[in-house]
Order: sequence, then C-alpha cells, then structure tokens
Amino acid sequence: GQQLNQSPQSMFIQEGEDVSMNCTSSSIFNTWLWYKQDPGEGPVLLIALYKAGELTSNGRLTAQFGITRKDSFLNISASIPSDVGIYFCAGRITQGGSEKLVFGKGTKLTVNP
Amino acid sequence: EAGVTQSPTHLIKTRGQQATLRCSPISGHTSVYWYQQALGLGLQFLLWYDEGEERNRGNFPPRFSGRQFPNYSSELNVNALELEDSALYLCASSLAGTDTQYFGPGTRLTVL
Repeated sequence: GQQLNQSPQSMFIQEGEDVSMNCTSSSIFNTWLWYKQDPGEGPVLLIALYKAGELTSNGRLTAQFGITRKDSFLNISASIPSDVGIYFCAGRITQGGSEKLVFGKGTKLTVNP
Repeated sequence: EAGVTQSPTHLIKTRGQQATLRCSPISGHTSVYWYQQALGLGLQFLLWYDEGEERNRGNFPPRFSGRQFPNYSSELNVNALELEDSALYLCASSLAGTDTQYFGPGTRLTVL
C-alpha cells in the first residue's frame, strides 16, 4: 500500500534555529497536509497544499508541494519553545474511486530554550 | 464554533471486552474519519463515513466497525479487544468534497 517516509524521526534544536522536515513517497498524491500534534491532543492542521510546486506560508511555517507530487517539505524559521510537538505530513490519494489520507510517522521536535 | 468532540477521553477495558467510542463532527461536516495512533506508529487510517455510509476502510480486522448516524455523529466499535488495541483513537471530520480534516482530541483506549 501507499507509504509516506517522513524524516527526520526526531530533532533537537536550539531556540532561534530553523527547522526542516520532509515526506517522500513512491506514490503520487493529490494533496499534501501538514499537522502538528501537542501531547494529549489531536493533530491540528498547519498548512494544506493542493498543487504541484505550490509554496505556502503560515507565519514562520513554509511548506511546499513537490513538483513530482511525491514529496513535500515543511520549514519552521526562528523556532520558539512552543514549536515543540510532533509534526505529521499527510497525503491524499485517490484510487479506484475511493480516497484516503495517508500519514507519515511524524517528526518529534524538541526546542531547547 | 465547536470543534470535533470525542468521548470518552479515556477508556479502560480488559481483553475480550468490547469498546465503543463516540465522535461528533464540526457542525456542517458530513464526513467522519477514524484513525488509530499507537505508540511509534503514527496515524493509521481505520474508517471513513460520509452521509451515513462507509466509504473506505483501512487494513484492520472486521472486529473494528462503526457507523454514522443521521446527525453525522459516529461510533467506533472494537469487539474482542486485544492488548495491542491499546492506542489513541482519533476522529476527524471534513466538509463534503474537501481534503482538510479537523481532528478531535482523541480517546485513549487501554486494554489490560
């Protein structure tokens, strides 16, 4: 089945540093979504990407939909302590008339003050 | 506007029992999705309901089932619970025909 490879699995950075994480797949996706999950809560949508090559920003976050439609990255600039959490990529794929959202395994971000 | 709500917050069961988890979508959303988030495994797609019908199903055994009610709320039932069913179960909702899913806080199921 479809699989998303998300990397890195975890990151330990200093406050103020920039962060980059990505998701790749051998499958083509129609939509890429990036979520953040805080401990004990459900994932919250950060950025949605709908077109190949699309580059979208949300404050200090920037994400891009890869040209091949098989990958996406998320950058966080000037990290702050509240950026701590698990970041998930998700790709929507349509096959045989049905669609589903496939999630990466997450990138756990730790920000040291 | 209220977000997706789930109940109960926590659920403790023993092996072989049945669990019922509930989800209320955002008002106006007709699609409900269920995911299992086990430790270290990310989110695994379980079920998708839209307009009261099951639209898609993930790679889970038949003892995972559910339904969607006329008011678009949904139930997830897990029969014959096994220890490895212990996980956070997340519900998400979306508007018909859109990609963006909004998640609830989840139900933490513990099977002893």
